[in-house]
Amino acid sequence: DVKVTQSSRYLVKRTGEKVFLECVQDMDHENMFWYRQDPGLGLRLIYFSYDVKMKEKGDIPEGYSVSREKKERFSLILESASTNQTSMYLCATGGQGETQYFGPGTRLLVL
Amino acid sequence: DQQVKQNSPSLSVQEGRISILNCDYTNSMFDYFLWYKKYPAEGPTFLISISSIKDKNEDGRFTVFLNKSAKHLSLHIVPSQPGDSAVYFCAASAFNRGSTLGRLYFGRGTQLTVWP
Repeated sequence: DVKVTQSSRYLVKRTGEKVFLECVQDMDHENMFWYRQDPGLGLRLIYFSYDVKMKEKGDIPEGYSVSREKKERFSLILESASTNQTSMYLCATGGQGETQYFGPGTRLLVL
Repeated sequence: DQQVKQNSPSLSVQEGRISILNCDYTNSMFDYFLWYKKYPAEGPTFLISISSIKDKNEDGRFTVFLNKSAKHLSLHIVPSQPGDSAVYFCAASAFNRGSTLGRLYFGRGTQLTVWP
């Protein structure tokens, strides 16, 4: 079974703070993805990575950055958190096939 | 511009009856389609998929139908159960046509409620 873990299930931060969300997978998958889910807007792709130290922008990269120093670990960074970044953040992983496997999500509240 | 559309934000069905969730896409390069199910406060879980070389795929109570000419797919759940109540996301990829590294394009989801 694929296991994708995210560092926190719930997080509360203040406006302007730097926020790190970490994702770890144990399946040796090349591809890793960060999404955010908001009511009525579905899953929107923020960034993805297809190899160590490689990254690609998704549809809504503004205000975010990512880091992939090791194959199993993909971090999402909110450089200066804002209230409009309050959301559910989902990490996913995928190998050479089409199916992506998701972590449990981090619900972030920015006050 | 959304390439995958789920035009019904919600669907309510009685237990035991059929649930039909619909999805439309605009990109003719898409050749693989997936359905995910999501409960509140959990990550989406893969449910069923279909390749563009098929028009139907079945797995237990779940069947996905693909109509390539109409760029339309549907998920049928028979019989529906209260535990099926969740948000269902349709997703598509152009995996075999040089897509960007396994990227999936998601619809906005349909909230299915199955009542007793």
